[in-house]
Amino acid sequence: QKEVEQDPGPLSVPEGAIVSLNCTYSNSAFQYFMWYRQYSRKGPELLMYTYSSGNKEDGRFTAQVDKSSKYISLFIRDSQPSDSATYLCALQSGGGADGLTFGKGTHLIIQP
Amino acid sequence: NAGVTQTPKFQVLKTGQSMTLQCAQDMNHEYMSWYRQDPGMGLRLIHYSVGAGITDQGEVPNGYNVSRSTTEDFPLRLLSAAPSQTSVYFCASSKEYGFNYGYTFGSGTRLTVV
Repeated sequence: QKEVEQDPGPLSVPEGAIVSLNCTYSNSAFQYFMWYRQYSRKGPELLMYTYSSGNKEDGRFTAQVDKSSKYISLFIRDSQPSDSATYLCALQSGGGADGLTFGKGTHLIIQP
Repeated sequence: NAGVTQTPKFQVLKTGQSMTLQCAQDMNHEYMSWYRQDPGMGLRLIHYSVGAGITDQGEVPNGYNVSRSTTEDFPLRLLSAAPSQTSVYFCASSKEYGFNYGYTFGSGTRLTVV
C-alpha cells in the first residue's frame, strides 16, 4: 500500500462549482500537510499548508485535515477555468529533513 | 528575486553519457532537494541537503550524485545516464528543514535518455 493515495482523475466540473480534492495516508508520523498546484510543464507551487487537524481557509481555498482518519482535503469554492491544473497533496514527518511524500496528483478541469 | 533557477530546461542524452543539472536559489534557503516526476509515480525525492557541506539520500538516489559547496547551489550529477532516468527533474528549496515554510520549486528540467 502506497503511503499516500490520491485519485488521479481527471476531475471535470463546471465553472462556479465547489471542488473537493482528497488524499488518504497511512503513516502516523506525518505532521505537516500541504497542497501544491502544478500547471502543465511548470513546477509545483505551494497553495496551503497546515500542521494540525481542522480547517484552514485562504480566499477560495480551504484545507481540511483529519488526523484520526488520516484524511486530508482541499476545497475550492467558486471554481474558475484558471484553477484547471494538477493538485498534489504533500505530507511531511516532524523531522522534515527527509523531504515531502507526494500523492500522485489529481488533474482538475474547470469547464467554462 | 529569481527564486529557484534550474538549467537546462530540456536535455537529450545518450545512454552512458554524464551530465549535471544545475539548481540555484537566491533566497538564502538552507534546505535544498531534488525530485523526479514520472507519470503515474508522482514526485520522488532523490537527494537533499540541510546546509552547505551536508547532503543525504532520498527515496531514489541510485545513479545520481550531489554536492553542496555553497548555500545557493545544489547540482545533480548523472554519472552514466540510463533510459530509466528519463524524467522531469525538479529542484526545491525551503528556508529550513523541520520548520515548514513550504517548498519553492524550480520550473524543472525535462531529460530524455535514448
